[in-house]
Amino acid sequence: DVKVTQSSRYLVKRTGEKVFLECVQDMDHENMFWYRQDPGLGLRLIYFSYDVKMKEKGDIPEGYSVSREKKERFSLILESASTNQTSMYLCASSASGTSAIYNEQFFGPGTRLTVL
Amino acid sequence: GNSVTQMEGPVTLSEEAFLTINCTYTATGYPSLFWYVQYPGEGLQLLLKATKADDKGSNKGFEATYRKETTSFHLEKGSVQVSDSAVYFCALRTGGSYIPTFGRGTSLIVHP
Repeated sequence: DVKVTQSSRYLVKRTGEKVFLECVQDMDHENMFWYRQDPGLGLRLIYFSYDVKMKEKGDIPEGYSVSREKKERFSLILESASTNQTSMYLCASSASGTSAIYNEQFFGPGTRLTVL
Repeated sequence: GNSVTQMEGPVTLSEEAFLTINCTYTATGYPSLFWYVQYPGEGLQLLLKATKADDKGSNKGFEATYRKETTSFHLEKGSVQVSDSAVYFCALRTGGSYIPTFGRGTSLIVHP
């Protein structure tokens, strides 16, 4: 069964802490994504990566950075957590290639982060 | 640019009622269209998809038809169950883009 896993389901951090959210996929996908999900705002893209060591900003990259050292792993980093980063964080992956337009995204279960 | 518009929720139904969740889109080129479902406390998962005009995607009793003339991809189910309570997202993907475009999601609540 194909899978995207996230390191934590629930996380509580203090303001100013450095926070790491890890995502691993076992489908050999080229593309990986980090979203945040807030009530009434839907999914908002933070960053995505289309290859190892490659990254592109999404719609709301401020306050976040990412790392992709291996194909299967995509990390989201909050350098100095703030209360407005309290949210649900979703990781996703998808295949690339000539049929990419037909390819769906596979999502992890999400990490609910609370910053106090 | 691309955009997806979904009806706002929540949609509240009784068990065995008929469900329609509207989705319309604007896109450059010819997109693939998707419906994802998010059950409480989980991530999104693909429910169904359609990749060209007039295609019908179906899964778990849900159906949606790719209507190019009306740029729509409405989700339907003939008889909903309590277990269908979830948030439903319409999405599209166009060629040459890594990034799909999502609607804001529609919450469905089904009462026994």
